[in-house]
Amino acid sequence: DAGVTQSPTHLIKTRGQQVTLRCSPKSGHDTVSWYQQALGQGPQFIFQYYEEEERQRGNFPDRFSGHQFPNYSSELNVNALLLGDSALYLCASSWGQGQDTGELFFGEGSRLTVL
Amino acid sequence: AQSVTQPDIHITVSEGASLELRCNYSYGATPYLFWYVQSPGQGLQLLLKYFSGDTLVQGIKGFEAEFKRSQSSFNLRKPSVHWSDAAEYFCAAFYTGGFKTIFGAGTRLFVKA
Repeated sequence: DAGVTQSPTHLIKTRGQQVTLRCSPKSGHDTVSWYQQALGQGPQFIFQYYEEEERQRGNFPDRFSGHQFPNYSSELNVNALLLGDSALYLCASSWGQGQDTGELFFGEGSRLTVL
Repeated sequence: AQSVTQPDIHITVSEGASLELRCNYSYGATPYLFWYVQSPGQGLQLLLKYFSGDTLVQGIKGFEAEFKRSQSSFNLRKPSVHWSDAAEYFCAAFYTGGFKTIFGAGTRLFVKA
C-alpha cells in the first residue's frame, strides 16, 4: 500500500522564480492538504483540495496556488519566490467524503531553498 | 482563534526516564486531538489520536496521552524513554465543521545516555 509520495525531495531556486511541487495521496484517499514548515516551527496550513476544488485556505498570499487532478494527486505552485518561502513543504492526504476527522497521512516533504 | 500550544520548546530526559510533553488547545468545542512525531528531515508520523470516549489513549511505540477537558490539555507520556525517541513532537487539533488540522509549534526531545 503506497503512502503519500512527494517530488522533488529537494530543490533550490532563486528569488522571483516559480516552483511546482507534486504530491500523490495515499491509496484510497481523496483529499490533499498542503502545509509549510519553516525551520524550527510547526506545520502551517496552506490549503486543502477535495473533489478538485480548493476547500479551505490558510493565511497565505495568492502567490501560493494549487490544483488537484481527477486521480486525486495535487500540485502546489509558488510564484515570485521570496527568501522567506524557504521551508519544508508537506503534503498530507486524508479521506474526505464529509467524514473528516482531521487525521492526516504525511509525505516526506519537499525541501525548498530560495537564494 | 483556534490554536494549539506546546509550552516547552525542548526537553531533555535521560534514557530510561519517564516523559511528559504538554499540549493545550484553545477553548470552545472539544476538537479531535493528535500527536505526531517527526524525525530530522522527514515527514510526520501519527503516534495517537483522540476522538471521544476513554480519555486515556494508547499509541504506537509505547506512547500514551490523556485528555483532560477541564484543563483543555492533551499531554503525551511515555514511562521509559529510549534513545530512538529523540525527535520533534507535534500536538494537533481538528475542530469539526472546519477542514484544517492545526499544529502546535512542536517540542524537541533530546535523550541523554
